[in-house]
Amino acid sequence: AQKITQTQPGMFVQEKEAVTLDCTYDTSDPSYGLFWYKQPSSGEMIFLIYQGSYDQQNATEGRYSLNFQKARKSANLVISASQLGDSAMYFCAMREGLLTDKLIFGTGTRLQVFP
Amino acid sequence: GAGVSQSPSNKVTEKGKDVELRCDPISGHTALYWYRQSLGQGLEFLIYFQGNSAPDKSGLPSDRFSAERTGGSVSTLTIQRTQQEDSAVYLCASSLVAQQGTNYGYTFGSGTRLTVV
Repeated sequence: AQKITQTQPGMFVQEKEAVTLDCTYDTSDPSYGLFWYKQPSSGEMIFLIYQGSYDQQNATEGRYSLNFQKARKSANLVISASQLGDSAMYFCAMREGLLTDKLIFGTGTRLQVFP
Repeated sequence: GAGVSQSPSNKVTEKGKDVELRCDPISGHTALYWYRQSLGQGLEFLIYFQGNSAPDKSGLPSDRFSAERTGGSVSTLTIQRTQQEDSAVYLCASSLVAQQGTNYGYTFGSGTRLTVV
């Protein structure tokens, strides 16, 4: 079974609008962490936001927020006030357990922001 | 150094040849990871080094792939007898060790684009 599922291969959003990128995960470990990374066309991977499984509140970092619904095993990324520079691939990833740093990545969503 | 450094940035090799890809992690980062990203795909885990522990090699796709990390710092990923399906971008990342679920996000290098012809 897929550990991390991103069902949207591509998304479009107009500049200044908000967009939600979906991510669901599968784990039986009660301790895990969820990450979102951005990969622009230049290829580098940029860390955006992190949510721990025991965190009581949804993580926020500037225009990025993570809509964490533990019972549904979803960790959707919300980008508010989209900018042209947000056009990129976005990857959701999970770290299972407390003693490993290994991340399992989803297949990604390509976001295109248009004027 | 300031970031994770990978070399070469691009490598074109003939099918059947061996290649070595190098990763120089951020100083002080105890964990080092190799991932592979095929065109338009997500990141596929290959191998993970953590301190002096035995590496997690569970993602290596075949015995043609191997990696080592010398002195807890620089790592080399070796692919023997390269095949066309090995063509991909090979990404290295490093991080501090995860402790009690705290966030130590990875820092990725710029990758090595390998093309097997």
